[in-house]
Amino acid sequence: DVKVTQSSRYLVKRTGEKVFLECVQDMDHENMFWYRQDPGLGLRLIYFSYDVKMKEKGDIPEGYSVSREKKERFSLILESASTNQTSMYLCASTPLGADTQYFGPGTRLTVL
Amino acid sequence: AQKITQTQPGMFVQEKEAVTLDCTYDTSDQSYGLFWYKQPSSGEMIFLIYQGSYDEQNATEGRYSLNFQKARKSANLVISASQLGDSAMYFCAMREGEYNFNKFYFGSGTKLNVKP
Repeated sequence: DVKVTQSSRYLVKRTGEKVFLECVQDMDHENMFWYRQDPGLGLRLIYFSYDVKMKEKGDIPEGYSVSREKKERFSLILESASTNQTSMYLCASTPLGADTQYFGPGTRLTVL
Repeated sequence: AQKITQTQPGMFVQEKEAVTLDCTYDTSDQSYGLFWYKQPSSGEMIFLIYQGSYDEQNATEGRYSLNFQKARKSANLVISASQLGDSAMYFCAMREGEYNFNKFYFGSGTKLNVKP
C-alpha cells in the first residue's frame, strides 16, 4: 500500500514563527503536492514538485516556500506564520502517468 | 474562471436511494483526467473513481459511476443504493498536463448526508 505521512496531525503556532510541515512518501513517486483546504473553497494548490530540487508554484504560493532535497520528502515552509494561514494542509504524491493522487492524513495548523 | 465547479454545497439523500453529485470542468486540453474523492469527517481523502478524457465508456467502481458528458464538460458522480457510511464531503478534481508534469484542480466540494 502507498503510504504518505505528514509530520503532525495538529499544530499550534504563534504569529511570526517559522513553521515546517513535512511530508514523506514511501513509493518512489516523482510528483509531490501541497494543498490547503478551507471550508467552501475546496483544496487549493500551494506548490508542487516533479523532481528532486524542482518546484513549481501553484495557485496560492504567497507566504509559503518548499524544499525537496530527497525524492521521498517534500517540506512546506511558512517563513513567518500569519493568522490567515490557519488551515488544513494536505500533502499528496503521484507517480508518473498515474490516474490518481495519494494523500496524507493532513495537518490542521492553527496560528494564534 | 473556475477549473472545477461543484454547485451543490450540501445534499441529503435517503438511505438506499441513488444520488447524483454535479461537477463541471473547464479546460482547453485534449488530454485530461477527472476524479472523485471522498473525505469523511476523519479528514483522509479517499480516491473513488477516475475517467480519462479519451475513455468512451463511463467509469464504474462498485456503487460509484461517473456520468461523463464531454461536450457539456460535466463529470457527475452517481452513487447507487446510498449507505449511512456515504455521508461525507465529496470533491471533484481534474488533472491537466502531460503525465510528467501534472497539475490537479479541485472543486469546492459537496457535503452529502445520508438519512436513515
